[in-house]
Order: sequence, then C-alpha cells, then structure tokens
Amino acid sequence: QITLKESGPTLVKPTQTLTLTCTFSGFSLSTSGVGVGWIRQPPGKALEWLALIYWNDDKRYSPSLKSRLTITKETSKNQVVLTMTNMDPVDTATYYCAHSVPIYGTAGYFDYWGQGTLVTVSS
Amino acid sequence: SYELTQPPSVSVSPGQTARITCSGDALAKQYAYWYQQKPGQAPVLVTYKDSERPSGIPERFSGSSSGTTVTLTISGVQAEDEADYYCQSADSSGTYVVFGGGTKLTVL
Repeated sequence: QITLKESGPTLVKPTQTLTLTCTFSGFSLSTSGVGVGWIRQPPGKALEWLALIYWNDDKRYSPSLKSRLTITKETSKNQVVLTMTNMDPVDTATYYCAHSVPIYGTAGYFDYWGQGTLVTVSS
Repeated sequence: SYELTQPPSVSVSPGQTARITCSGDALAKQYAYWYQQKPGQAPVLVTYKDSERPSGIPERFSGSSSGTTVTLTISGVQAEDEADYYCQSADSSGTYVVFGGGTKLTVL
C-alpha cells in the first residue's frame, strides 16, 4: 500500500525559504520507473504543478517557478524534499506530494497523493 | 506557457450524463489524466492515459480523446459525484506537467 505524507512549517514569513518533506512508504525511489512530485493549491484555486524527481535523479521544475525551487531525494529515508526560496503571501497554499507514474518518458500522472499541508505566508 | 482549458462549471441532474471537456494543443500528442477533488480532500485519479480507469473507480467514469480535446464523461451522475474535476497532461515535449483550471460539477 502506497502512502505519502507532507511535513514542514505551517507559517513562514515573506522572503524566507520554505522546506517541505514528503515521507512515503510502499515504494522505493531506487526502483526504475518511479517518481515523486509536488503540487500546490492556493485556497479556492486550481492545482499547480511545482516539481518532479525520478528514480534516476531526473528533476523537472515548473518553468514559471524554476528559479525558486529545488527538489532532492533521500532514497534510504524514503523522503523527497522541496525547497522554495523567497516566499511571498501569494505562495500561501496547500502543498501536496504525490507518487508519479511516468509514461513513455513523459511526465505522466499522479496516482497516490498525500493529504496535503497548508502553508501560510505572512509576517 | 502551455495551458489546458476547462469550463469553470457544469451542472446536471441526478441520473443524467455529465461531460467535462479539456482542451489544449499538446493533447493531440500527450495523454490526459483526470482527477476528482472533493472539499478538504486530496485529488483522486479517476482516469489515466485518456480512457483507462484505475481500480476502484466506478464504471460510470470514462474518458475519451479527440484531437486537441479530451472529455471526462460521468454516466448516471450521483450526488456523491459533486466535486471539482481537473484534467492534467504534459507540454508538447512531455517534460512538464500541466493542470487545467478545474471544473466544478454541481448535481442539481
């Protein structure tokens, strides 16, 4: 059974760096064809994809946020970490991590999601 | 940047058929995926690779594709199907993930 859970601060100040950790079970990021992605959702708004990392350390970022994002994996700990720099109130959102299934080398889809964690950016 | 376009809202009566569309140029060469999201919950995958259905998803959910438009069809809509629905795909190169703006399905 695949499960994922996000953890990190619930409140960050503007200009600070956000660090979120996704801890998962039921799969390994050392297995070929496996990935983990981050997606966020501002209150009342649509889903927005942020980043992806695959078993082979292939990393992909949203073009609009690429300069602010870093995604890494700790395979032995079954964790994926996302950092986002220079946080702003518009970054207030629920942040989800999800198990990714690439399709023929393309970005693919997300079949298992964490419960999400609400991050508020405010001074 | 690449975009997927969905209608903001769709309304149907119980037992009727709901159709939610998603359009984007890259859909002609990239698969589409659909998610259902109920208030306060994480999204749930309801179709993948245009028309495949994950285990546990009711048969009334189906997906189809035609050119640059994909459609999620919910046959015999039930009250429990009231939710936001998001399409997802990739850009033309397959590198980046893109979500549509979401469609709120209201069951009258």
